[in-house]
Amino acid sequence: DGGITQSPKYLFRKEGQNVTLSCEQNLNHDAMYWYRQDPGQGLRLIYYSQIVNDFQKGDIAEGYSVSREKKESFPLTVTSAQKNPTAFYLCASKAGQSTDTQYFGPGTRLTVL
Amino acid sequence: QQQVKQSPQSLIVQKGGISIINCAYENTAFDYFPWYQQFPGKGPALLIAIRPDVSEKKEGRFTISFNKSAKQFSLHIMDSQPGDSATYFCAARGAGSARQLTFGSGTQLTVLP
Repeated sequence: DGGITQSPKYLFRKEGQNVTLSCEQNLNHDAMYWYRQDPGQGLRLIYYSQIVNDFQKGDIAEGYSVSREKKESFPLTVTSAQKNPTAFYLCASKAGQSTDTQYFGPGTRLTVL
Repeated sequence: QQQVKQSPQSLIVQKGGISIINCAYENTAFDYFPWYQQFPGKGPALLIAIRPDVSEKKEGRFTISFNKSAKQFSLHIMDSQPGDSATYFCAARGAGSARQLTFGSGTQLTVLP
């Protein structure tokens, strides 16, 4: 099956702990994205990467970090500096700059206790 | 700063009726306008998209109407079905090198049987 996988589906962490969310794609897409979804606010861009070993901050990057060491993987770390980390996190990918469609993974719901 | 405003926040339609969701944007540099459909607990999936050089695009029961001068676009779902019950997001893509998507806040559609 081709697509984007995010794991785990549900994640619980204690306040003050860093946590890493996994995103893997086997679509051979160059670009990958992380969004945060909160009720009533739509999707907000956290970080994006257009090629391996390069990534850029999105609109709400504070308290988050990413890496892009492999084309198929784009993990997101939610650090203790993120003031309100409880949210639904979505990873997406796109073939390249000249293409239009972003494909989304199934998401990870993070709850910080 | 929200650059894409979506309304209504929620919509209830009878089976067979027409569902209409509206979006307005501010940035005239946007060059691609997709609509995404999201079911609970899932990632969004591209439904239909339009470019600003056309005023309407139809795919099956789904139609986008685009008014460039008013900076508005809307999604029409004809013959709405209970299976269409989902959250719908409009989005707009910037024309810069990053070509990021800016999402509206979402509309929760419920189609009554």
